[in-house]
Amino acid sequence: KAGVTQTPRYLIKTRGQQVTLSCSPISGHRSVSWYQQTPGQGLQFLFEYFSETQRNKGNFPGRFSGRQFSNSRSEMNVSTLELGDSALYLCASSLGGLAEETQYFGPGTRLLVL
Amino acid sequence: GENVEQHPSTLSVQEGDSAVIKCTYSDSASNYFPWYKQELGKRPQLIIDIRSNVGEKKDQRIAVTLNKTAKHFSLHITETQPEDSAVYFCAANNYGGSQGNLIFGKGTKLSVKP
Repeated sequence: KAGVTQTPRYLIKTRGQQVTLSCSPISGHRSVSWYQQTPGQGLQFLFEYFSETQRNKGNFPGRFSGRQFSNSRSEMNVSTLELGDSALYLCASSLGGLAEETQYFGPGTRLLVL
Repeated sequence: GENVEQHPSTLSVQEGDSAVIKCTYSDSASNYFPWYKQELGKRPQLIIDIRSNVGEKKDQRIAVTLNKTAKHFSLHITETQPEDSAVYFCAANNYGGSQGNLIFGKGTKLSVKP
């Protein structure tokens, strides 16, 4: 099976712009979680989608949003970008999104905000 | 919510020595504890995980132990090799019904010197 894929791999944006990142889960996986990784804060949970519904949300401002499509692909959007949004954004997929399931990560999208 | 502390933040060992990384968690309801290895510029890869119904799990040179009473779990790598050099993350699931998000430790940078 193909692994989790993310596009684009790299992005450069300026403050105030918005950005959309895409994640395609492993075939058959219905849960997609998003994480932000920075050197200072490590891996932080953004939100999780299952069957097109957001089931869980981390402690991030409303500028961070997401959605999931019927084929389980997911997108996350960051509006009004700030310098502090520069990070590696990782998505992870799991089969049914149960709390005890293994999550498989994509390669990430590295976002640089200037 | 769940909080995960990981120690040490950096660890340097000689090739062939053992390495131990320790994590503590706060939520006694957590029941799934994965360990991820992240090499520079790559995605986090699951190396081993443990569920709360077992106290120890081993896979070749890697083992994980779990003490539910003390709420801590540890990663043990024996006969370390230079290719074990990477950042290792522990995590605990934020248990809440079917919600599937992970809370990560801040990571341990392991360096194995030949």
